[in-house]
Amino acid sequence: DTGVSQDPRHKITKRGQNVTFRCDPISEHNRLYWYRQTLGQGPEFLTYFQNEAQLEKSRLLSDRFSAERPKGSFSTLEIQRTEQGDSAMYLCASSSGRLETQYFGPGTRLLVL
Amino acid sequence: AQKVTQAQTEISVVEKEDVTLDCVYETRDTTYYLFWYKQPPSGELVFLIRRNSFDEQNEISGRYSWNFQKSTSSFNFTITASQVVDSAVYFCALSEAGNAGNMLTFGGGTRLMVKP
Repeated sequence: DTGVSQDPRHKITKRGQNVTFRCDPISEHNRLYWYRQTLGQGPEFLTYFQNEAQLEKSRLLSDRFSAERPKGSFSTLEIQRTEQGDSAMYLCASSSGRLETQYFGPGTRLLVL
Repeated sequence: AQKVTQAQTEISVVEKEDVTLDCVYETRDTTYYLFWYKQPPSGELVFLIRRNSFDEQNEISGRYSWNFQKSTSSFNFTITASQVVDSAVYFCALSEAGNAGNMLTFGGGTRLMVKP
């Protein structure tokens, strides 16, 4: 069973550019979560999907953030018009059910110059 | 609202010492789950353990042990005979069964440095 994978692992961009991150969950996991982790802090929940349905998005940090999971498999997280404050590690996790353990991917480190 | 506090931001020990990482949580839910994750320098969060609120039995796995006490809302983690490879940031996390999203709330983490 392969684990959660994320791409890219690192991203450097200039302020104002759009960026998109991809997450591939563990196969057959129907739940997929996105978290953000800033330096020296614990991860902070952003949004989650059950299959292709995005069931919670009120925690997305602003309307510049959006996520999709079009076929219930991989997911993308997009940040439009990036700001320096968006620099962080973006973590994806998946689980096999609502009350099941979440397993995390290696994360995407974003640096906005 | 749920909250997790890890008061120790950084701990430094010498190899072979025992070390305990503290975790205190707050929740209004009667059914909840507690977790510990390890984050090595590579950045990936590695799952270590999960306990539900109805199971207060302590658990031991090799050099790792966990002490869950509902009376003090604590879920502490002990590493016996620490090794350099244990150096990492450790996170305690909580999820509430009553929360449809089952999202995790993390503490701020404890950075453990094990020196040879």
